[in-house]
Amino acid sequence: EAGVTQFPSHSVIEKGQTVTLRCDPISGHDNLYWYRRVMGKEIKFLLHFVKESKQDESGMPNNRFLAERTGGTYSTLKVQPAELEDSGVYFCASSQDDPGRYEQYFGPGTRLTVT
Amino acid sequence: SQQGEEDPQALSIQEGENATMNCSYKTSINNLQWYRQNSGRGLVHLILIRSNEREKHSGRLRVTLDTSKKSSSLLITASRAADTASYFCATDEGNTGKLIFGQGTTLQVKP
Repeated sequence: EAGVTQFPSHSVIEKGQTVTLRCDPISGHDNLYWYRRVMGKEIKFLLHFVKESKQDESGMPNNRFLAERTGGTYSTLKVQPAELEDSGVYFCASSQDDPGRYEQYFGPGTRLTVT
Repeated sequence: SQQGEEDPQALSIQEGENATMNCSYKTSINNLQWYRQNSGRGLVHLILIRSNEREKHSGRLRVTLDTSKKSSSLLITASRAADTASYFCATDEGNTGKLIFGQGTTLQVKP
């Protein structure tokens, strides 16, 4: 069974540009989560999808971040326009039904560098 | 507010020794999970322990949970150089699935 995959693995962009990160969850997992870790800080929750619906987006830092999960399969996270403080590693995770009951499986992450 | 906090922040041991990492949290939890991250790689799920469980084993890993003290520990027995990684605990607020991570413990196992 394929795990959670993320693309790209690494992205370097200039301040003001736009970047779109993609996450493909494990097949059949309705729950999809985005987290990020900025340098030297803890991994922080961004948002949670149940199928195509946003269940919780309380961790999204501001309106420069837009997440979508059309069709309830893969998800994208767009940052527009990117700022220096957006640099970090963005992780995606997925889990089975009944969020909170099952473990979350994480992807390898996308390392975003904004210069 | 930060939930899981690991202790120690860094740990260096010899191969074959046991490694113990502790995690404390602040609010009621549904479950607590431990993850490992090798340098530059993704998070690997190790163990999930539910709030009504006190101890759980998986191979060389043993996790305990004390809800009265709001703490958990991860014990790695007979450590190997391949265990060198960062270890994180993460707590789940209610049944939301939203994980709150600590800063992690960096473990170095010397061959």
